[in-house]
This record gives sequence, structure tokens and C-alpha cells, in this order.
Amino acid sequence: DGGITQSPKYLFRKEGQNVTLSCEQNLNHDAMYWYRQDPGQGLRLIYYSQIVNDFQKGDIAEGYSVSREKKESFPLTVTSAQKNPTAFYLCASSGWTGDTEAFFGQGTRLTVV
Amino acid sequence: GENVEQHPSTLSVQEGDSAVIKCTYSDSASNYFPWYKQELGKRPQLIIDIRSNVGEKKDQRIAVTLNKTAKHFSLHITETQPEDSAVYFCAASPGANSKLTFGKGITLSVRP
Repeated sequence: DGGITQSPKYLFRKEGQNVTLSCEQNLNHDAMYWYRQDPGQGLRLIYYSQIVNDFQKGDIAEGYSVSREKKESFPLTVTSAQKNPTAFYLCASSGWTGDTEAFFGQGTRLTVV
Repeated sequence: GENVEQHPSTLSVQEGDSAVIKCTYSDSASNYFPWYKQELGKRPQLIIDIRSNVGEKKDQRIAVTLNKTAKHFSLHITETQPEDSAVYFCAASPGANSKLTFGKGITLSVRP
């Protein structure tokens, strides 16, 4: 069953701890993206990667880090430097160019207490 | 970079009426304009898209129109149904080697 999978669906962490969100796809897509979704803010791009071992900052990269060691995987680490990390995080993948359909994961809701 | 705006942020229509959602974009190089629907608690999914060489595209009850001169594109939903209630995101991309830029989304409510 092809698709893009995020885990876990819900995540709770204490303030000051780093946390890593998983994103895996078996669609053979070159490009992968991380978005943050807050009420009334739409989809804000955190990081994106169009090829293995390369990634670019999005509009709100501060306090986040990523890696792209494998084509299938694009994990996102929310560091303690992120001032307001509680949010809904969506991962997506698409073909290499920006003009193809993006497929989204089911999302991870992160709550930092 | 590209800037995509959607207005208004919410729209309420009576079941059976039509709904029109408009987006504007800033980068004249953008040539791909998709629309995504996100139902409550679910992931966004593509419902229709249009490329700059086409002025209009239809798929059953939904259609998208593009005005490149004015840099805006619109989603049209006819004969709205309660299951059309969702958040709708528009996006734009210059294409090759570029990322999608999303608007902030509009919440459509269809009153039964």
C-alpha cells in the first residue's frame, strides 16, 4: 500500500527537550516537505528537500532541524530553541519539480508541556 | 518569493448554492495552481489543479479558473453539499525545481 506515513499521531514532550517526528514515504518521490499548521495560519513551510543529502530552509525554520539520508525518510527534529513548538505538523512528498501533486501524511500533533 | 493570499478566511453558504473561493499570487513566473481540501481531522488532499496554459478546468461539481493578467485563480463549487464543508487551501508554484507556496486556507461551511 503506497503512501506517506507519519509517526506518532500524538506526541507529548516536556519543555526543553528535543523531539523527532518521523516521516516515511514509499511513493519514490524525490521531494519531501515539512509544514506546521496552526489555527488561522494555514500551512507554513519549515524545511524541504528535493534530493537526498540536500535540504532548504522554509519560511519558519528557526528551532527546527532535518536530515535526508535516505530518499524515503525525512525526519524533523523540534529543538528546545523553538519557542512555541506545540502545533500540528504535516509531512508531504511530491515529484522533484514543484508542479506535481503533493501527498500528505496524516500529521503529528505535538504538545509540549 | 511567492506570496499567496486567500480571502475571506471563512465562507458560509446554503446547501445547494454555489461557492467561490478566490486566491491571488505575486510571482508572475508561477505556472501551477493546485487546490487542496482538508476535512476536519484529516490530511489535505488535492481536489483539482490548473496550469498556466489553461484558463479553466472542470471536474464534476468543481471548477478552477485562472486569470494570469490579474494574478488570481478561483475555485468554484456548484450545488454545494454538507460534505463540502472543509478547509480549502490554494497554492502556487513556478514549477521546475521550486516549492509550492500555500495560502492560509478558507473554512467553507455548508448549511443544511
